[in-house]
Amino acid sequence: QVQLQQSGPGLVKPSQTLSLTCAISGDSVSSNSAAWNWIRQSPSRGLEWLGRTYYRSKWYNDYAVSVKSRITINPDTSKNQFSLQLNSVTPEDTAVYYCARDPGGPRYSIPFDYWGQGTLVTVSS
Amino acid sequence: QSVLTQPPSVSGAPGQRVTISCTGSSSNIGAGYDVHWYQQLPGTAPKLLIYGNSNRPSGVPDRFSGSKSGTSASLAITGLQAEDEADYYCQSYDSSLSDPYVFGTGTKVTVL
Repeated sequence: QVQLQQSGPGLVKPSQTLSLTCAISGDSVSSNSAAWNWIRQSPSRGLEWLGRTYYRSKWYNDYAVSVKSRITINPDTSKNQFSLQLNSVTPEDTAVYYCARDPGGPRYSIPFDYWGQGTLVTVSS
Repeated sequence: QSVLTQPPSVSGAPGQRVTISCTGSSSNIGAGYDVHWYQQLPGTAPKLLIYGNSNRPSGVPDRFSGSKSGTSASLAITGLQAEDEADYYCQSYDSSLSDPYVFGTGTKVTVL
C-alpha cells in the first residue's frame, strides 16, 4: 500500500519561497512507471495540477503553465521523497497543497491514485 | 481555473440514485481522453473513485459507476447512503495549450 506523508511550514511570507516535502512509502520515487505530482486546492481556483517529476532512465519534470517560472519539483532518492519549491509567492498562492502519485501509462489516461494528507499553506505577512 | 464544468450541488434521499455531470470540450473529454472521478470527504484529501471512465479501484463499492459520451461524463451513485455525502470531482487530460491535467469545478452531494 502506497502512503504519502507531507511536511513543511503552513505560513509563508509574501515574496518568499514555499517549500514542501512528500515522503513515499510502499513505492519508489525512482519508479520506472509512476510519477510524483503536486496539486493544490483553493476556493478561487479549485483543484489545480502544478507539476510532476518522474524517472524513465533519466529524470523528467512537467510544470503547469501558470507557475512554470516559479516552480521546482525535485526527487530525493536517498530519502525516497520529492519536494516542491514555489518562489515569489503571493496571497494568491494560499491553498491546500497535496502530493499525489500517478501510476504512469499514456499521458492522456492518467489518474491520481494515492494522495498525501494535504498541507494548508497561507501566504501572509 | 477549472475547464470541466460540474453542477455545484445535487441531493437525494437515502436509497435514491443521483447523477453528477462533467462537461468538457473537444480538447479534453470530447477528444476521447479518459475521465476519472474523486470523492473528497470533509477535511480529507481526494480519493480516486473511478478511473478510465468506468473502472472502480479495489474497495470502491459498486454503487458508484461512471460513463462517458461525447464531450461529457457522468458519475452515478445508486442506493445513496449517508456516508456518500461529500464533494466529487472529475478529472481528464487536455491537449490544448493549457495544462495537461484538468479538474472539474466540483459537486457537493447532500443526503437528505
